Amino acid sequence: QKEVEQDPGPLSVPEGAIVSLNCTYSNSAFQYFMWYRQYSRKGPELLMYTYSSGNKEDGRFTAQVDKSSKYISLFIRDSQPSDSATYLCAMSESGGGADGLTFGKGTHLIIQP
Amino acid sequence: GAGVSQTPSNKVTEKGKYVELRCDPISGHTALYWYRQSLGQGPEFLIYFQGTGAADDSGLPNDRFFAVRPEGSVSTLKIQRTERGDSAVYLCASSLGPAGELFFGEGSRLTVL
Repeated sequence: QKEVEQDPGPLSVPEGAIVSLNCTYSNSAFQYFMWYRQYSRKGPELLMYTYSSGNKEDGRFTAQVDKSSKYISLFIRDSQPSDSATYLCAMSESGGGADGLTFGKGTHLIIQP
Repeated sequence: GAGVSQTPSNKVTEKGKYVELRCDPISGHTALYWYRQSLGQGPEFLIYFQGTGAADDSGLPNDRFFAVRPEGSVSTLKIQRTERGDSAVYLCASSLGPAGELFFGEGSRLTVL
């Protein structure tokens, strides 16, 4: 079993829908949780960064972390075709990249116009 | 440049050959990371440099892989005796320090025939 599990999709939803993406993990030492967006043939770019349990909101994006269940989520409201991309969750024990981020496989999201 | 620059963007080589991949980080970023992303997978950590020294090389898969950063800026990932299983996108990232946000380049796509 991999340390981080993420459904690869594809997940296809109509424009304007609320999108829910999630990851589960097994390493209870993870303290820092990130969501990256990766367009085709591009590098990942950081969307959301959360420390420990709780919620964080940034515009149309909300990240949730439930450490007791080892479960993290990313919600996208009012989804747009430009949100079509692969979304990667990532985690680390000490923050930043010093101990190496552990990524999920990524979920391929398609927003239909 | 404004972002992390990686060259070449594409490299096709034959099994057994030697390959070098170059990364030019964002100016002023002291931390530099190499990740490998196989098809349909998330990035996997390879090595982390703080300044000129490799602070963590625990992700390098075997002794055919080696990376250097002699002057604390540009880094080169070197792969000897390439194998077909080395085919992947090699991503470089940099950050202001070990706790900072990672900025990824677009990657070098390596294909070993």
